[in-house]
Amino acid sequence: QKEVEQNSGPLSVPEGAIASLNCTYSDRGSQSFFWYRQYSGKSPELIMFIYSNGDKEDGRFTAQLNKASQYVSLLIRDSQPSDSATYLCALDGGAAGNKLTFGGGTRVLVKP
Amino acid sequence: ETGVTQTPRHLVMGMTNKKSLKCEQHLGHNAMYWYKQSAKKPLELMFVYSLEERVENNSVPSRFSPECPNSSHLFLHLHTLQPEDSALYLCASSQEASSYQPQHFGDGTRLSIL
Repeated sequence: QKEVEQNSGPLSVPEGAIASLNCTYSDRGSQSFFWYRQYSGKSPELIMFIYSNGDKEDGRFTAQLNKASQYVSLLIRDSQPSDSATYLCALDGGAAGNKLTFGGGTRVLVKP
Repeated sequence: ETGVTQTPRHLVMGMTNKKSLKCEQHLGHNAMYWYKQSAKKPLELMFVYSLEERVENNSVPSRFSPECPNSSHLFLHLHTLQPEDSALYLCASSQEASSYQPQHFGDGTRLSIL
């Protein structure tokens, strides 16, 4: 089993709709969770981080964390064509200290 | 300049060449990282430096040699690379070398090995 799993997509979303991305992980010791956005040919850009169970909202983005079920999700409300990118889930390695483990990413396509 | 800058943006080299990748961060961070991003594979951590000391070497072959002369600069020296080393190499920095800290990435060096 992969340490961090994401559906590779593409996730096709109509403009204005909600995009829902999921990430599951295997290490129950993980405490910090990050979502990065990566446009094609560009570097990953941090968009959200969450440490506690529940929801965290920032503009059109909401991160949801459920440590008991070992998943973290990202909702993008009012999706825009400019949201078309690959979204990477990353989390700390629990006892592994300073290492971040990344998922393979979910490609999102927002269609006008 | 702001953020994390990497040079060169693109590099093509033969298997017998020696080259170096450079990373500079202007964020006042104490930790710097090298990652490898290959097609259809997750980002792979290569090295972690904290205040110029290497704190993690993630089983990287010796043909990759990092150097961190100060907390703002990080190099990756390349020697006798293989075709499978062709990838995007990303540098990142964070306030401290802790996985609780968000990391900020440079735009990467696209490396092609002939």
